[in-house]
Amino acid sequence: GNSVTQMEGPVTLSEEAFLTINCTYTATGYPSLFWYVQYPGEGLQLLLKATKADDKGSNKGFEATYRKETTSFHLEKGSVQVSDSAVYFCALLSSGGSYIPTFGRGTSLIVHP
Amino acid sequence: DTGVSQNPRHKITKRGQNVTFRCDPISEHNRLYWYRQTLGQGPEFLTYFQNEAQLEKSRLLSDRFSAERPKGSFSTLEIQRTEQGDSAMYLCASSPRGQVLNTEAFFGQGTRLTVV
Repeated sequence: GNSVTQMEGPVTLSEEAFLTINCTYTATGYPSLFWYVQYPGEGLQLLLKATKADDKGSNKGFEATYRKETTSFHLEKGSVQVSDSAVYFCALLSSGGSYIPTFGRGTSLIVHP
Repeated sequence: DTGVSQNPRHKITKRGQNVTFRCDPISEHNRLYWYRQTLGQGPEFLTYFQNEAQLEKSRLLSDRFSAERPKGSFSTLEIQRTEQGDSAMYLCASSPRGQVLNTEAFFGQGTRLTVV
């Protein structure tokens, strides 16, 4: 079946530091990959997505590249801000999973001024 | 606000009582999902509707849980004879018609259930 593995958190960084949150997946079929973000007190919202191998999704300075050879979709940002403090979820969607989004456990990011 | 709406936002109930949650998806979204989320975990799939048809249900889902989506619009999730282990955030999400693999899910803010 489908599964998503994310690095354990929390990730604690100083403002302007470089961010990487690792995500690897197992899927049947050809999945689409997503990063969602959950700010305190709010619902999950889409951050970025990529629907085929070698695609790069980007939004708000965040990027992730769909790497089929390593089954990975790592999230990166060159310079984090305090306002980026949130929980980040990697997710996939595939025909092999009946088109039901499968989520990782989430990685908490804390950015200090 | 045209986002996914969930009610109530919070529910405290005594063990053994029944509870019902409501989800209003984004208008014209034909796919609707229910998830459960506990502290430090990602959303765990419960059940999925396409229009009014319940197409998938998690094997882990107890038969105390039931969901409906009459007329393919709003959905309800009922938990009978609640147990303390049912305490969690219950999330609803919807997604539109179209190319399934290119469409993300839109989430509500969730209903937090506490069973005492």
